[in-house]
Amino acid sequence: EVQLVESGGGLVQPGGSLRLSCAASGFTFGTYNMNWVRQAPGKRLEWVSYITSGSSNIYYADSVKGRFTISRDNAANSLYLQMNSLRAEDTAVYYCATDGFHHWGQGTLVTVSS
Amino acid sequence: EIVLTQSPATLSLSPGERATLSCRASQSVSSYLAWYQQKPGQAPRLLISDASIRATGIPARFSGSGSGTDFTLTISSLEPEDFAVYYCQQRSNWPLTFGGGTKVEIK
Repeated sequence: EVQLVESGGGLVQPGGSLRLSCAASGFTFGTYNMNWVRQAPGKRLEWVSYITSGSSNIYYADSVKGRFTISRDNAANSLYLQMNSLRAEDTAVYYCATDGFHHWGQGTLVTVSS
Repeated sequence: EIVLTQSPATLSLSPGERATLSCRASQSVSSYLAWYQQKPGQAPRLLISDASIRATGIPARFSGSGSGTDFTLTISSLEPEDFAVYYCQQRSNWPLTFGGGTKVEIK
């Protein structure tokens, strides 16, 4: 069974940093491209970032470009999102999802507030 | 950036009725459009990809149609578990974008 489990969310002050992790199991993680998607409270889904299986191609939403960095460790079956210079508008539940968005994690809440 | 506009924002229907949800793209996305269902406190669930291909395990009452800029998700006969928010997503161009959602609520 495919499982994606996000962690690393929490309360952070504006300008601060957080690193989200997504632990994958039940499939051959190293052969899948992966995504991060977020959803602010009561708002629509927003795609954040994408990384190919071998990390050769990476894309970001304009809203996070230059502040967020996606990465992965295929040996550890893990996906990451390093978030720097956080803003109030980054407050959201962050989901990791497989390529094609067939499988999603349960999400981790990031709150940016002083 | 491709903007997706979903209508209506809210659809009030009774179980057993047919639901028709619309998604319009600001430019052609060919058939690279997906539909998701989301219930409160849960992650989205993929229903339809490539405009009309049901995802694994999705009941046949869910169907998708359209191409170019106009797409439709149809639920042929609403079951109690179908009352939720539905989002469309385009995968034609970066950045990937989602529509604003249609809430299907019990009348």
